[in-house]
Amino acid sequence: GQQLNQSPQSMFIQEGEDVSMNCTSSSIFNTWLWYKQDPGEGPVLLIALYKAGELTSNGRLTAQFGITRKDSFLNISASIPSDVGIYFCATTTGNQFYFGTGTSLTVIP
Amino acid sequence: DGGITQSPKYLFRKEGQNVTLSCEQNLNHDAMYWYRQDPGQGLRLIYYSQIVNDFQKGDIAEGYSVSREKKESFPLTVTSAQKNPTAFYLCASSIAAEQFFGPGTRLTVL
Repeated sequence: GQQLNQSPQSMFIQEGEDVSMNCTSSSIFNTWLWYKQDPGEGPVLLIALYKAGELTSNGRLTAQFGITRKDSFLNISASIPSDVGIYFCATTTGNQFYFGTGTSLTVIP
Repeated sequence: DGGITQSPKYLFRKEGQNVTLSCEQNLNHDAMYWYRQDPGQGLRLIYYSQIVNDFQKGDIAEGYSVSREKKESFPLTVTSAQKNPTAFYLCASSIAAEQFFGPGTRLTVL
């Protein structure tokens, strides 16, 4: 399957700090998705991107579709304790979806 | 209230027993998927189905079986042939380029 390289693997930040994570692939894709998974729960779709260069926000979350179509970025501004969880990037070829290995975020109050 | 339901949330079975995990969706999505997630790891595809009465193996199908007799239902059977079945199982459905997940079933084989 397709390999999506997601970094960093984990982050420990103070409440109120901004967070950045990214996802890269060796192939070009037409869609990038970002999910958040709380412990013991299923991933929840946060943002979907469909166009190179697109910048989309969902509250304090902002994601960008890289212009090369091989990468995507997720930023979280002014982090709060409930931002804790694992964030996954994903993409699709139509039939199947491919996922990054996740970024584990810990917010220290 | 549309969504994907998985039941039960926690499931315990003895080694050597087959067990079936339920997945139901009322989103009218054609495609459905099963993933396995182990601690600290990403999602691995077990089976997927693009349409009723048709399904394909994913990356780790050995020891698992599925059926797709109805659009809204995609049950997964973990057979005794699966060597390491204890894991968190996630069902998903998709429309166009977006995929949505159920709450998951944690299976523990004793």
